[in-house]
Amino acid sequence: SAVISQKPSRDICQRGTSLTIQCQVDSQVTMMFWYRQQPGQSLTLIATANQGSEATYESGFVIDKFPISRPNLTFSTLTVSNMSPEDSSIYLCSAGSGQYEQYFGPGTRLTVT
Amino acid sequence: GENVEQHPSTLSVQEGDSAVIKCTYSDSASNYFPWYKQELGKRPQLIIDIRSNVGEKKDQRIAVTLNKTAKHFSLHITETQPEDSAVYFCAASKPSSYKLIFGSGTRLLVRP
Repeated sequence: SAVISQKPSRDICQRGTSLTIQCQVDSQVTMMFWYRQQPGQSLTLIATANQGSEATYESGFVIDKFPISRPNLTFSTLTVSNMSPEDSSIYLCSAGSGQYEQYFGPGTRLTVT
Repeated sequence: GENVEQHPSTLSVQEGDSAVIKCTYSDSASNYFPWYKQELGKRPQLIIDIRSNVGEKKDQRIAVTLNKTAKHFSLHITETQPEDSAVYFCAASKPSSYKLIFGSGTRLLVRP
């Protein structure tokens, strides 16, 4: 299974600022995704990070708020822009080769004050 | 779009008993159904999965069953142990997008 790391592991940010979260996989993968998980809740897909093209966003999420990059097959970033307290959450990336067996990074716990 | 419903939301069992968690999906094109276990403060861990060409899959004390006609699948844990206590999530995906749609989660408590 792929080993996935995320940076930072946690951060406290002021409203109106932006934070970029990095996701690194130890092997080349075809698929990378970004999820949000509120405390005690399920995982909500934000977008599919496509290598070499624009990310595919789910309903309710827009590129201006959550710009995503994926410059190669092992790395992706998610930026949370113009943050508000409602953006406080855990952000997780996942990766897999093909449709099956997606693995998750450890998550980034974001608190916006 | 795809919707995955999961029941129950909480489940408390005595150590050694069995636990069953059920999920229903809406999109008949879905063909892959993984289960994840998430301990407090940790990442979701893939514990077992099933593809639509298989009706049942076992791995030691855990098993998953799939009923494609009824569009539901279940996780079975036998001989539960306190370390099985966690939140369990079911998910579904289809070949056109590969993205996982998650159920709402089940908090399992195994009482010693």
